[in-house]
Amino acid sequence: QLQLQESGPGLVKPSETLSLTCNVSGVSISSGSFYWGWVRQPPGKGLEWIGNIFYSGSTYHNPSLKSRVTLSADTSKNQFSLKLSSVTAADTAVYYCAREGSYYLNWGQGILVTVSS
Amino acid sequence: EIVMTQSPATLSVSPGERATLSCRASQSVSSNLAWYQQRPGQAPRLLIHGASTRATGIPARFSGNGSGTEFTLTISSLQSEDFAVYYCQQYNNWPQTFGQGTKVEI
Repeated sequence: QLQLQESGPGLVKPSETLSLTCNVSGVSISSGSFYWGWVRQPPGKGLEWIGNIFYSGSTYHNPSLKSRVTLSADTSKNQFSLKLSSVTAADTAVYYCAREGSYYLNWGQGILVTVSS
Repeated sequence: EIVMTQSPATLSVSPGERATLSCRASQSVSSNLAWYQQRPGQAPRLLIHGASTRATGIPARFSGNGSGTEFTLTISSLQSEDFAVYYCQQYNNWPQTFGQGTKVEI
């Protein structure tokens, strides 16, 4: 059964880089049929697409986040990662990783990341 | 970017009643629309894709309709576990975008 699990620091200082990893079990991320994505949700607010990656390395990200987003995948560990640079309080959110086939078929449980000094 | 507008923001209903949620796109998204349910403290769960196709394991009381710019999600007879927030998402145009959500409450 497919499972996704986010991991990383729950607290990041302003201007630093947020780094999260999503460990995938139950299916290989290099199976080739899906993208692997990140979505975030500020406390009490709606969902925002961050970006996604194909196992080959092709990436797409939300233009609203400009060039702050870096996505990568490690097929040997069956995981993919998100880095968001120059964070501010506005980046405080629950971050979800997900398997994506245009829409989101499977989600991780989410990880709350707070940006604060 | 396509703006997705959901209405109403909050829908108050009783168990056993029918609930109809709306989602409007700022331009046509064909049938490339999905609906998600999010219960408190949980990740979203896919309900509907392709505007009207139920995802695996989703009860038949959930149905989706529409194409172009106007879409609806209907819950035919609300169960206690259906009280949640519902989001629509378009994936026809890049970047994909979500609506702001409709909260279904008692």
